[in-house]
Amino acid sequence: KNQVEQSPQSLIILEGKNCTLQCNYTVSPFSNLRWYKQDTGRGPVSLTIMTFSENTKSNGRYTATLDADTKQSSLHITASQLSDSASYICVVSKNSGGYQKVTFGTGTKLQVIP
Amino acid sequence: SQTIHQWPATLVQPVGSPLSLECTVEGTSNPNLYWYRQAAGRGLQLLFYSVGIGQISSEVPQNLSASRPQDRQFILSSKKLLLSDSGFYLCAWSVILAGGNEQFFGPGTRLTVL
Repeated sequence: KNQVEQSPQSLIILEGKNCTLQCNYTVSPFSNLRWYKQDTGRGPVSLTIMTFSENTKSNGRYTATLDADTKQSSLHITASQLSDSASYICVVSKNSGGYQKVTFGTGTKLQVIP
Repeated sequence: SQTIHQWPATLVQPVGSPLSLECTVEGTSNPNLYWYRQAAGRGLQLLFYSVGIGQISSEVPQNLSASRPQDRQFILSSKKLLLSDSGFYLCAWSVILAGGNEQFFGPGTRLTVL
């Protein structure tokens, strides 16, 4: 069964601190992995997308890493801000008959406090 | 630029009543369109996807249905709502990038069935 597991489930950090979110997956064959940020009550917004051959991708203070051998990804947030408070969702895609099937993780809920 | 709209933003409906949620995309042609449901504390679940007008694929058996009467219009319907239909419904469209299938989400509809 294709799965995407994220940890921790929730996290509270002080403003200005760094944090790292984890994503382990069993989806195969792997096509790409994306990290989304979802503010409460809003739709997810894409942060990064990585293919099999990429092992790191940055978007401002967000840096995603990918180890396709161990099927692990992480999202590192540097110098956190209050606006980083949101759920972060790991999404893994695989090709299936010309259509990409996606599997969503349940997300990590991050709260940044002053 | 491309935009995606969903309405209504929130909806409270009694059990057994009908449902119609609408999603429209602007600024792109022949997009793949998706309906997801996000239950409280759970990951996104793909309900339907469409690769063209009148072409609907269902991912899970349920009492919901989808239709695509126009290229950039995707409608989620039900004849009789169940309590279990409560959730956050997200519409998305996708584009093929060099790295794979990138999905862009609408703002969502919060449905409460009482």
